[in-house]
Amino acid sequence: QSVLTQPPSASGTPGQRVTISCSGSSSNIGGNTVTWYQQLPGAAPKLLIYMNNQRPSGVPDRFSGSKSGTSASLAISGLQSDDEADYHCATWDDSLHAWVFGGGTKVTVV
Amino acid sequence: QVQLQGSGPGLVKPSQTLSLTCTVSGDSIRSGAYYWNWIRQRPGKGLEWIGHIHNSGNSYYYPSLRSRVTISIDTSKSQVSLRLSSVTAADTAVYYCARAGSVVDIWGQGTMVTVSS
Repeated sequence: QSVLTQPPSASGTPGQRVTISCSGSSSNIGGNTVTWYQQLPGAAPKLLIYMNNQRPSGVPDRFSGSKSGTSASLAISGLQSDDEADYHCATWDDSLHAWVFGGGTKVTVV
Repeated sequence: QVQLQGSGPGLVKPSQTLSLTCTVSGDSIRSGAYYWNWIRQRPGKGLEWIGHIHNSGNSYYYPSLRSRVTISIDTSKSQVSLRLSSVTAADTAVYYCARAGSVVDIWGQGTMVTVSS
């Protein structure tokens, strides 16, 4: 059982916009910034979004993040077949004194 | 370019101790700017933080694993190690080492460990 809650799956057609939610509490998302990772099949997670909405260099601006209260969202616009992957949200939890993650959302391009 | 390379046995017997090593290249563990983490992913599941260590030796572990986990650091070898005792099938997972400053930003390739007799 993950500390942060994500939907297990999401899908869209090429070119569509897909949004993934991540829900937490006041001890984690409510008081800290959110990070998103993309995990391609068989690969390690890769940093996608940090500090709620910042993209590392090399990450396309089709990927965007936001946070409000104890929830966060990742949006993928102009969906491409290469975007098929698992997406994980993460943040620090002040009560557990630990990094906590969501269960991951599998994005499928149909 | 920072790289983290995990290594260790891929098969561990139940009740034994899992031992993995992460070798860091392209960065200095001695700089003190980062915490060095172990994170695991059970088959078909999400990511689970195990713990981290700083080059000062300061370490912290996830509460549910604290009684079985030891993370150590050898700055002379640029290595971080994980020991997880009394393993069961529930500890079967891909184990990642990762660097963290304000975020966990760089990950190793992962080491698959199966617990089975």
